Amino acid sequence: AQTVTQSQPEMSVQEAETVTLSCTYDTSESNYYLFWYKQPPSRQMILVIRQEAYKQQNATENRFSVNFQKAAKSFSLKISDSQLGDTAMYFCAFRQTGANNLFFGTGTRLTVIP
Amino acid sequence: NAGVTQTPKFQVLKTGQSMTLQCAQDMNHNSMYWYRQDPGMGLRLIYYSASEGTTDKGEVPNGYNVSRLNKREFSLRLESAAPSQTSVYFCASKVAGLPYEQYFGPGTRLTVT
Repeated sequence: AQTVTQSQPEMSVQEAETVTLSCTYDTSESNYYLFWYKQPPSRQMILVIRQEAYKQQNATENRFSVNFQKAAKSFSLKISDSQLGDTAMYFCAFRQTGANNLFFGTGTRLTVIP
Repeated sequence: NAGVTQTPKFQVLKTGQSMTLQCAQDMNHNSMYWYRQDPGMGLRLIYYSASEGTTDKGEVPNGYNVSRLNKREFSLRLESAAPSQTSVYFCASKVAGLPYEQYFGPGTRLTVT
């Protein structure tokens, strides 16, 4: 089974600064998708960004970008110009192409400090 | 457009009681999912329904049953609740085909005493 590891249980960042959250995964597949989800205190799971493994270019969504290193099986999330509303749990997730199951990491709790 | 809705938001059960968690989506999605989230862990898939009329087991199906009532609705039933089923339950839906992401409901916090 695929495994997703987030080695940073908690992180904090000053408002307006940049922070990077780490994620590694284990798979023998070559085609798959990676996701970062945000879970604020409201509990709602919100998709932040998605990366297709066949794309070499790193995905970017406004202040959020990823560093996808396929050979190293690494998928980190960079948040630039951190805002108070970015305070949340962040989950990295993996889905194999053609499969239904999303495999989640254990999450990183990010706190943005004013 | 409400997205994915779940009822109830909170529930407390006694061991051995039964209940059904309801989920509905109004996005015309084909696939629907039930996950559970335990403290210190990511979400784990309980059951999913790739399309209306089909259901399949996920990673942690024991103690649960599901019904895909129609394209919109996917319910999760606990026949005899156990304390180990204390968790937050999320329903999600997705358009069939890739690379579409899953859209999640707000969750149901279930406590079994």
